[in-house]
Amino acid sequence: AQRVTQPEKLLSVFKGAPVELKCNYSYSGSPELFWYVQYSRQRLQLLLRHISRESIKGFTADLNKGETSFHLKKPFAQEEDSAMYYCAPRGATNKLIFGTGTLLAVQP
Amino acid sequence: DAMVIQNPRYQVTQFGKPVTLSCSQTLNHNVMYWYQQKSSQAPKLLFHYYDKDFNNEADTPDNFQSRRPNTSFCFLDIRSPGLGDAAMYLCATSGDSAYNEQFFGPGTRLTVL
Repeated sequence: AQRVTQPEKLLSVFKGAPVELKCNYSYSGSPELFWYVQYSRQRLQLLLRHISRESIKGFTADLNKGETSFHLKKPFAQEEDSAMYYCAPRGATNKLIFGTGTLLAVQP
Repeated sequence: DAMVIQNPRYQVTQFGKPVTLSCSQTLNHNVMYWYQQKSSQAPKLLFHYYDKDFNNEADTPDNFQSRRPNTSFCFLDIRSPGLGDAAMYLCATSGDSAYNEQFFGPGTRLTVL
């Protein structure tokens, strides 16, 4: 079965601290991997995708195929990073499978 | 701006009274999705259209139906809403590659009285 696990429901850090949001997936084939973010009162939107190898708003994500993980990292958290983050693989079926989400709260 | 629009933003219906939620897009994407998101939960895919081809998720109740009359519009029909159907309903669109991002609408908050 296809499954995405985000073990932390809530991650609270202080401004300037490093952040790592964990994501482990179980998926047949080789999915493309995404992180989506939902800021308060805003629509769900793409943060970054693995294939682009990009850093968006200081966030990066490393794919570890051996561990089937795609953890999201940022070296110095900012208050405006507070949001709900969803890890989501997508395969050839055009479907995203959302993880349970991690609420990141960055304290001043 | 090209975007995904959902109407209405808030919908109140009575138990058992049919309701229709609407989604339109200006992105000309060929894939459109409907998700249900309950409080503090991840979005759950109900079904999606690849052009006119309808793809239902195995665990989507029969109470939920969808129509896509053209590329731009997609509707979610709930035939007999129950209290458990109260949720945020999200529409999304994408291109047909696995690498394409999904663009989400703002959602319709459904309340069932």
